[in-house]
Amino acid sequence: QKEVEQDPGPLSVPEGAIVSLNCTYSNSAFQYFMWYRQYSRKGPELLMYTYSSGNKEDGRFTAQVDKSSKYISLFIRDSQPSDSATYLCAMSANSDSWGKLQFGAGTQVVVTP
Amino acid sequence: KAGVTQTPRYLIKTRGQQVTLSCSPISGHRSVSWYQQTPGQGLQFLFEYFSETQRNKGNFPGRFSGRQFSNSRSEMNVSTLELGDSALYLCASSAQQGAGEQYFGPGTRLTVT
Repeated sequence: QKEVEQDPGPLSVPEGAIVSLNCTYSNSAFQYFMWYRQYSRKGPELLMYTYSSGNKEDGRFTAQVDKSSKYISLFIRDSQPSDSATYLCAMSANSDSWGKLQFGAGTQVVVTP
Repeated sequence: KAGVTQTPRYLIKTRGQQVTLSCSPISGHRSVSWYQQTPGQGLQFLFEYFSETQRNKGNFPGRFSGRQFSNSRSEMNVSTLELGDSALYLCASSAQQGAGEQYFGPGTRLTVT
């Protein structure tokens, strides 16, 4: 079993809908949680970064972390065709292993006009 | 501020050869991590360097090695290439080890024939 599980999709939504993405994990030591967006043939782009539990909002993006359930989510409001990409969750444990991110498989999102 | 740069962007090598990939982090960033991305395994951590020292290492064979220079630029080397080494190799930098967001470069796509 992988430490980080993420449904690969694809997830297809109409323009303007809310995109809901999530990851589950098994390592209770994870404290730092990130969401990346990756377009085809590009490197991952950091979207959201959260430490420990709680919510964080940035524009159309909201990240939620529930450490008690080992579950993290990313919501994209008012989705646009330009949001079509693969979304990867990533996490790491303590600061000594900060550079050693564990990634989910990535969810492919398609926003249709 | 310029982003993370990686050279070369594309590379074709033959089995048994060796290859060196280069990464220049964002100016002021001292931590560099390397990842391998394949369709089957997703993003997997290779190693992390900070202040010219390897701080973390992933579960890859000894054919994969790296180093960091005093100007924070980093190189990774793969010797005795195998077909399974074909992948996108990504470099990420952060301002300091143990904290801060990681920013990825565009990657080097290595094809082994």
